Amino acid sequence: GEDVEQSLFLSVREGDSSVINCTYTDSSSTYLYWYKQEPGAGLQLLTYIFSNMDMKQDQRLTVLLNKKDKHLSLRIADTQTGDSAIYFCAERDPKEGGGADGLTFGKGTHLIIQP
Amino acid sequence: DAGVIQSPRHEVTEMGQEVTLRCKPISGHNSLFWYRQTMMRGLELLIYFNNNVPIDDSGMPEDRFSAKMPNASFSTLKIQPSEPRDSAVYFCASSNRAEAFFGQGTRLTVV
Repeated sequence: GEDVEQSLFLSVREGDSSVINCTYTDSSSTYLYWYKQEPGAGLQLLTYIFSNMDMKQDQRLTVLLNKKDKHLSLRIADTQTGDSAIYFCAERDPKEGGGADGLTFGKGTHLIIQP
Repeated sequence: DAGVIQSPRHEVTEMGQEVTLRCKPISGHNSLFWYRQTMMRGLELLIYFNNNVPIDDSGMPEDRFSAKMPNASFSTLKIQPSEPRDSAVYFCASSNRAEAFFGQGTRLTVV
């Protein structure tokens, strides 16, 4: 079955770059996502990448996809205290005809910012 | 658009009572998902709809759980009767082909 794996914790110093890693097993994954969840809040879509891309950059966020190794990463440049949250990796395989499978999520990585 | 809207935000109920969670998806999105989040199991997909039709309900834990989508702008998740182990945060999400957006969730506590 589908599986998405992430490390549970990552600790970085304020101002450094954070790199959160994710591996997945479903070779037919078409879209891969990064979500951010702050305490008591919902899941905020940060960015997503289509499987025919290997990189996507959006301001401080850079997503790298290695489809051969089924490895996805999220780099946050100049990490700030406001970046402290749980980051979820998710994969999805849309269906023909406009429908879509549900997203399969990893357990989430807690990003801890040290002053 | 106001995003995905869920109600109520918090629900506390006694064991055995019926609970109904509500969701209004983003207009124009053709897929709707119900997820449950707990510390132990993380985010679990319960059921999803495409064009108002239930596609996969294999994640629904028991017959006590049911979900409906009577039209493109409304869905409900019902638990009857509720049990303490149903306590969790329940999220609704809606999607077009690529982007999937989540509501703020309903925190359910069954005592």
